[in-house]
Amino acid sequence: DVKVTQSSRYLVKRTGEKVFLECVQDMDHENMFWYRQDPGLGLRLIYFSYDVKMKEKGDIPEGYSVSREKKERFSLILESASTNQTSMYLCASSLGGLPLSTDTQYFGPGTRLTVL
Amino acid sequence: QKEVEQDPGPLSVPEGAIVSLNCTYSNSAFQYFMWYRQYSRKGPELLMYTYSSGNKEDGRFTAQVDKSSKYISLFIRDSQPSDSATYLCAMRRVNAGGTSYGKLTFGQGTILTVHP
Repeated sequence: DVKVTQSSRYLVKRTGEKVFLECVQDMDHENMFWYRQDPGLGLRLIYFSYDVKMKEKGDIPEGYSVSREKKERFSLILESASTNQTSMYLCASSLGGLPLSTDTQYFGPGTRLTVL
Repeated sequence: QKEVEQDPGPLSVPEGAIVSLNCTYSNSAFQYFMWYRQYSRKGPELLMYTYSSGNKEDGRFTAQVDKSSKYISLFIRDSQPSDSATYLCAMRRVNAGGTSYGKLTFGQGTILTVHP
């Protein structure tokens, strides 16, 4: 079974702090994704990575950065946390390649971040 | 206007009811369609995927796609309390050249409660 783990289930930080969210997958997947989930807005893509050291912006990258130094690990960084970044953060991974029709994203359990 | 619209509900039905969940989309570049189920305090998990117009059945679940109307549905027959979850539609576009790195666009999610 694919396993995607996230470093924390719950996190409370203060405004202005630098925050690191870690995600690890154990299935040698090429692609990794970071989403945030907010009520009424669904899942929105922040950043994704299709290879080690490669990254691309998603739909809402402002205020975030990412790092992928090893294939299995994808980190989301909030350079200076703000209250509007309070949210559920979900990491996902997928095998990558073709065919796209069967490239399933597997999700971690999420990290609920509260910024005070 | 969002690219993918989904009625957030909440939806509350008695056990045994037929449930209909729906999403509309505006971009005809979306070619692959998925339904994810998310239990409370868990990450989403893939329930069904399809890429052609018509119906696809899997047990009590039927996914329906109407590309001409840009409309997808998920039907749950004989609903059970264990079906209580948030259901998310997701779509994948295929860019020119066939690459999209597997990015998904999600609907807002519908919260479903099936009561005994």
